Amino acid sequence: QLQLQESGPGLVKPSETLSLTCTVSGGSISGSSYYWGWIRQPPGKGLEWIGSIYYSGTTYYNASLKSRVSIAVDMSKKQFSLKLNSVTAADTAVYYCTRDQSGYSFDYWGQGTLVTVSS
Amino acid sequence: EIVLTQSPGTLSLSPGERATLSCRASQSVNRNYVAWFQQSPGQAPRLLIYGASSRATGIPDRFSGSGSGTDFTLTIGRLEPEDFTVYYCQQYGNSYTFGQGTKLE
Repeated sequence: QLQLQESGPGLVKPSETLSLTCTVSGGSISGSSYYWGWIRQPPGKGLEWIGSIYYSGTTYYNASLKSRVSIAVDMSKKQFSLKLNSVTAADTAVYYCTRDQSGYSFDYWGQGTLVTVSS
Repeated sequence: EIVLTQSPGTLSLSPGERATLSCRASQSVNRNYVAWFQQSPGQAPRLLIYGASSRATGIPDRFSGSGSGTDFTLTIGRLEPEDFTVYYCQQYGNSYTFGQGTKLE
């Protein structure tokens, strides 16, 4: 059974960089139909797609966040990562890593990790 | 960007009743690539429906999706106690956007 697990700091200071890693287990990260993505959810609010990456390294980002976001993949470790720079309180959210199967949308999710932006 | 508007915001029903949730897109969704997710408190969303009408693996057949173009519907045939939570629609035909959610209470 495929499992995804987010890891990283739960507290980030304003203007600094948020960094998270997602570790994939129980399946391949290099399948040709799979993208790997990040989605966030501010407390009590809805879902926002941040960006996705293909195992080859091709990335797709939400236009509203594109200038601050970077997603990378490490095939050898079966991990992909998120960096969001110049964070503000508005970036406080639960961050989920997901598998995006072509044609199927987001079929596997990590449990989510709360990242709070505060000094 | 395709904007998805879900209605109603809150739906009040009883166990055993039928629920109909609506999702309207601001423009036609390519290939009817609309998904529905269920999110229970403190949990990650769970994929229910993809491609507007196909049930994801392990999803009970009381959940069904329909629609095309700009109008999509999630129907829950006979409500079970665990169905009373929040539902989101999402389009993945042109980038990715989510609706604001419908709370089923």
